[in-house]
Amino acid sequence: AQSVSQHNHHVILSEAASLELGCNYSYGGTVNLFWYVQYPGQHLQLLLKYFSGDPLVKGIKGFEAEFIKSKFSFNLRKPSVQWSDTAEYFCAVNAPYSGGYQKVTFGIGTKLQVIP
Amino acid sequence: ETGVTQSPTHLIKTRGQQVTLRCSSQSGHNTVSWYQQALGQGPQFIFQYYREEENGRGNFPPRFSGLQFPNYSSELNVNALELDDSALYLCASSWGEDFRTDTQYFGPGTRLTVL
Repeated sequence: AQSVSQHNHHVILSEAASLELGCNYSYGGTVNLFWYVQYPGQHLQLLLKYFSGDPLVKGIKGFEAEFIKSKFSFNLRKPSVQWSDTAEYFCAVNAPYSGGYQKVTFGIGTKLQVIP
Repeated sequence: ETGVTQSPTHLIKTRGQQVTLRCSSQSGHNTVSWYQQALGQGPQFIFQYYREEENGRGNFPPRFSGLQFPNYSSELNVNALELDDSALYLCASSWGEDFRTDTQYFGPGTRLTVL
């Protein structure tokens, strides 16, 4: 069964600091990878996704993630965080050959707090 | 906002009761998935419906069941509620054209408390 590990459960940064959130997955085959974000009081929404091609994926609001197949990793990065990035971030994986349906497995989430 | 709505927002039930949660997908979305998010955890996949048929299920017992209707609404039913069923229940809809690449749009969730 696929699983997702997020190493940092709670991160506190000052504005303008750089961000990197770790994500590792366990699945040996082809995977689709996602980062979702949940801002306070809002719905869970897609930040970025990787299916194939360039392993460096750019998402909304200046976020990017790099897929490193050999390390089973999909880390999220942002060069300079803002107070508005305060949110909970979830890494997720979808193994596409799960009988033709989209069974997405989520990590436990990382709460990011950005201090002005 | 995602265009996906859920009702009710909050619900309190007692152990052994039955509950029905509702979701309204974006128009045109043929697929709806349900997730359970316990406190401090990530969402866990319960099942997925495509064109009114269940086509995938996670590690949840049969007392978790669902329905999807032609008008893009769906239900999650839970029988014989247990204390551990207390959680946020999320539905997510997608076009269903390609299960690999579809983006899921999440609703705000229903917070269920079982006493």
